[in-house]
Amino acid sequence: GQNIDQPTEMTATEGAIVQINCTYQTSGFNGLFWYQQHAGEAPTFLSYNVLDGLEEKGRFSSFLSRSKGYSYLLLKELQMKDSASYLCATRDQGGKLIFGQGTELSVKP
Amino acid sequence: EAQVTQNPRYLITVTGKKLTVTCSQNMNHEYMSWYRQDPGLGLRQIYYSMNVEVTDKGDVPEGYKVSRKEKRNFPLILESPSPNQTSLYFCASSFDGDNQPQHFGDGTRLSIL
Repeated sequence: GQNIDQPTEMTATEGAIVQINCTYQTSGFNGLFWYQQHAGEAPTFLSYNVLDGLEEKGRFSSFLSRSKGYSYLLLKELQMKDSASYLCATRDQGGKLIFGQGTELSVKP
Repeated sequence: EAQVTQNPRYLITVTGKKLTVTCSQNMNHEYMSWYRQDPGLGLRQIYYSMNVEVTDKGDVPEGYKVSRKEKRNFPLILESPSPNQTSLYFCASSFDGDNQPQHFGDGTRLSIL
């Protein structure tokens, strides 16, 4: 079976750096996605990791360790608009996607 | 404009009255999927389709049906809706079922009374 854990809520200050962790247990692992979802809107794609290491995309970076079943999303230079829910999801080799419950990030001035 | 279109966006209906939520994508994507999103439970996959005429169960398929007769369309059918199917539903598509990200529709809020 598959299981994903991520913190329910986090709070950070504008301009700071925040790290959102995700641990997973999955059979036939075939990649890990991070999505951002603002309240009342659809999720939007942030990053994808299938190999170990860090992927950097502007202010956002994502890290994966397959041996530890662990990923994190790093957000730098936080802005108020980054207040949203961040969803971690794994895909298996059959195409099935499992999402975590999401981490609600609040950015304070 | 590349998009995933769901209809209706909102629906209030009664128990047992069959309903269909349509989903269409204009990006020639092979992979399509349906999710429901409930507070505290996150996004859960209902059904997915790797290509035309190929559908597979996700984590919560009970009470739902899908079909994939054409590449662009992937309707979600509730034959006999019940109140526990009240939820926010998202359709999504991606180029393939491998490493390509999902593009989500705007969501359909269903209330079953």
